[in-house]
Amino acid sequence: AQSVTQLDSHVSVSEGTPVLLRCNYSSSYSPSLFWYVQHPNKGLQLLLKYTSAATLVKGINGFEAEFKKSETSFHLTKPSAHMSDAAEYFCVVSDRTGANNLFFGTGTRLTVIP
Amino acid sequence: EAGVAQSPRYKIIEKRQSVAFWCNPISGHATLYWYQQILGQGPKLLIQFQNNGVVDDSQLPKDRFSAERLKGVDSTLKIQPAKLEDSAVYLCASSLDRGDGYTFGSGTRLTVV
Repeated sequence: AQSVTQLDSHVSVSEGTPVLLRCNYSSSYSPSLFWYVQHPNKGLQLLLKYTSAATLVKGINGFEAEFKKSETSFHLTKPSAHMSDAAEYFCVVSDRTGANNLFFGTGTRLTVIP
Repeated sequence: EAGVAQSPRYKIIEKRQSVAFWCNPISGHATLYWYQQILGQGPKLLIQFQNNGVVDDSQLPKDRFSAERLKGVDSTLKIQPAKLEDSAVYLCASSLDRGDGYTFGSGTRLTVV
C-alpha cells in the first residue's frame, strides 16, 4: 500500500529565509512522488515530480525536492521564501503498479512572515 | 490550452437533497478523476475513468454517489441523498494517460446544511 506522511501541519518562515517541508513515504514498489501546491480558493498545481530519474528534482518557482530511498523521504525545499509562496502544500505518492491513482498527504500550511 | 473546467463553483443544499457536479477535462485527456477534499485533509480519490470506462471506483460510496462519463469527454458526479458529512470540495482532474501528471480543476465547494 502507498501512503505519505507530512511531518508538519504548519510551517512559518520569514520572507527571504529557506523553506523546508518534510515528507516521508511508504510504498511497496518504486514510487512516483509529487508535490502539489494549493492557494486559497484555487486548484491544485503541480510543483514537481519524481519518477525514478534524477534523485534531485527541480520544480517551478524555485522549489526542489530530493528523493532519499534510504530515508524514505521526499522533502521540499526553497532557498528563499517569497510572500507568494504562502499556501497549502501536499506531498503525493502514485500507485504506479495499479491504477496510477494519487494518494495525498494531509498537507502542510506554509505561512510567510514579511 | 484551456484547463479543467468545473461547475458550479459553490453549492449549498439541505441534507437529503440531491446535487450534481460537472467536469470538462482538457481536450484529448483520456483519464479523468474525481477527488473529495474535506476541510483540513488531503484530497481522496472517488473514481477514475479511462475514456468512458471506470478504472477504479473502490472508494466511491455507491449507495449515494454516482458518476458517469458517457461519451468519454465530460463527466458528472451526483450525490443522492446528501449527508452533512458530504460537505467538501469536489475536485476533478485529468491526464493524457495514466501515469502522466494530473491537471486539477478549481473544484466545487459543497456545503450541506
